[in-house]
Amino acid sequence: DQQVKQNSPSLSVQEGRISILNCDYTNSMFDYFLWYKKYPAEGPTFLISISSIKDKNEDGRFTVFLNKSAKHLSLHIVPSQPGDSAVYFCAASAGSPPHGSSNTGKLIFGQGTTLQVKP
Amino acid sequence: KAGVTQTPRYLIKTRGQQVTLSCSPISGHRSVSWYQQTPGQGLQFLFEYFSETQRNKGNFPGRFSGRQFSNSRSEMNVSTLELGDSALYLCASSPLLASTDTQYFGPGTRLTVL
Repeated sequence: DQQVKQNSPSLSVQEGRISILNCDYTNSMFDYFLWYKKYPAEGPTFLISISSIKDKNEDGRFTVFLNKSAKHLSLHIVPSQPGDSAVYFCAASAGSPPHGSSNTGKLIFGQGTTLQVKP
Repeated sequence: KAGVTQTPRYLIKTRGQQVTLSCSPISGHRSVSWYQQTPGQGLQFLFEYFSETQRNKGNFPGRFSGRQFSNSRSEMNVSTLELGDSALYLCASSPLLASTDTQYFGPGTRLTVL
């Protein structure tokens, strides 16, 4: 049972345009969401996160939107650059602490979406 | 500051064998988590170690085990390998227990089971 789903395995966008990556989840206990970017032969790197008490978080060209009623989050990249070409994973966590709490921190990842930004 | 290192980077084993993977966290980090990445399932959480104790565990069979040493280095062991264990195994370190937004991933160990 896939609790976090990224239904689009791939996305191709022209440089300078907006990239929108989508993620759906089923577990209403999830209260913290993250996006990771992964290049080939490297581990995932943290990109941006959002707590369930917010519906939007912005960091430079990256914005994450959370729609709790629809159990849906999306990552917007504006403007897209060729260096953004990578696999993007969304992840969710339930019961994220204050730091130092136990029995939390288990990230549930989606299957990933491969983004290609064409020059 | 050196990043998370994993050894070996590539490994080929046959069914029924066992394998041990190693992860050295970023200096000062005490939490190490392990993940399995496969094309069909994406990234799946295996377990997390903090201060030499397993603190969190995913839904994997008992063939998957791990441990953490006093220097925070961690090993993961898979016994009686199956073809389906072929995957990229990633470890991530964090200074804090269960701190998902400050996890730093290593490059992974690519395990192929023949």
